[in-house]
Amino acid sequence: ELKVEQNPLFLSMQEGKNYTIYCNYSTTSDRLYWYRQDPGKSLESLFVLLSNGAVKQEGRLMASLDTKARLSTLHITAAVHDLSATYFCAAGDSGTYKYIFGTGTRLKVLA
Amino acid sequence: DVKVTQSSRYLVKRTGEKVFLECVQDMDHENMFWYRQDPGLGLRLIYFSYDVKMKEKGDIPEGYSVSREKKERFSLILESASTNQTSMYLCASTVGSAETQYFGPGTRLLVL
Repeated sequence: ELKVEQNPLFLSMQEGKNYTIYCNYSTTSDRLYWYRQDPGKSLESLFVLLSNGAVKQEGRLMASLDTKARLSTLHITAAVHDLSATYFCAAGDSGTYKYIFGTGTRLKVLA
Repeated sequence: DVKVTQSSRYLVKRTGEKVFLECVQDMDHENMFWYRQDPGLGLRLIYFSYDVKMKEKGDIPEGYSVSREKKERFSLILESASTNQTSMYLCASTVGSAETQYFGPGTRLLVL
């Protein structure tokens, strides 16, 4: 059974600092996704990672995938307040249509 | 842009009522999903559908049913609402199995 774990669950960081959110999954997965959720809002797609070594970047966020380690990371560079949100990773359950979500990382960037 | 809409943003129902939540997507997506989101638990899959009239149970289907009579519409039904079904319900759709999901705005349901 595919399980997805994110850490940390909560992250409070100063503006301008760098940090990484980790997403581990328990069994083989052929696809990994990152989403952002602002308070009271729905989820917005950030990145889709479909192969080992895949790296995607958008602004101050960079996501990568290591399928051998069953690990994806979301790296935040020089954080700004606007990045405050909850970030979810989700892994695709191989051979099915299902997406299994982590519990989310609540990020707060302090001015 | 893909648009996924949900019939209500907020709903208040009484225990035992039958509740219908409706989701519509406008991009001819094959796959549609219903999740519930609870603090500390992330998103949990209730049901999904990969074609009209086709459905599969997710991880927490008990107390729920679904209907997909048309490709663009996926309904979640709470047969007899209970207080432990108070939650945020999110609908999502994808064009294919490797694609990202597009989410609706969510329905916050309170069962009294």
